[in-house]
Amino acid sequence: EAQVTQNPRYLITVTGKKLTVTCSQNMNHEYMSWYRQDPGLGLRQIYYSMNVEVTDKGDVPEGYKVSRKEKRNFPLILESPSPNQTSLYFCASSRDRGGEKLFFGSGTQLSVL
Amino acid sequence: GQNIDQPTEMTATEGAIVQINCTYQTSGFNGLFWYQQHAGEAPTFLSYNVLDGLEEKGRFSSFLSRSKGYSYLLLKELQMKDSASYLCAVRGRSNYQLIWGAGTKLIIKP
Repeated sequence: EAQVTQNPRYLITVTGKKLTVTCSQNMNHEYMSWYRQDPGLGLRQIYYSMNVEVTDKGDVPEGYKVSRKEKRNFPLILESPSPNQTSLYFCASSRDRGGEKLFFGSGTQLSVL
Repeated sequence: GQNIDQPTEMTATEGAIVQINCTYQTSGFNGLFWYQQHAGEAPTFLSYNVLDGLEEKGRFSSFLSRSKGYSYLLLKELQMKDSASYLCAVRGRSNYQLIWGAGTKLIIKP
């Protein structure tokens, strides 16, 4: 089944404790992206990747890191989480950046205390 | 600046028709998307318009007017499972980045 797998689904952590949210897609997509979703706001892009070893900042990259060492994986790293990073996070992929539609992972609800 | 506007919330009755509007102001345009998002779940693709006019797909249709910076999503024969948020997103021409609206929460009543 074609899918984007994102883990964990829920995560509660404390300020400053490094964490990683994993994302993997099995569709051989070139383009992958991370978004955060907050109440009353549209999805905001954090980072995106056009292909292996190619990453770029989105609209709200501060406090986040990503890597794209393999085509299928695109982990999101929070080196020192802060409470303002409490949010719902989605990983997404598409065939290419100009592709018609994004496929989303199931989301990670992160709470930073 | 770039902006997408959609109503925050709408209510409709099961079996009826509802139209969700989206207006946009962007520096470029390379297509408009509609996604459906049930509470606590991931968005799923509904439609894509790049040319003016109406695209029909079963109970759902999407309309685009590029000159007016306007789109709508039309849902017919509403079912309870259509209760969800509907997200409008525009792909700008300059760098193909997607700009997202905040979404319209649609509540269906029996």
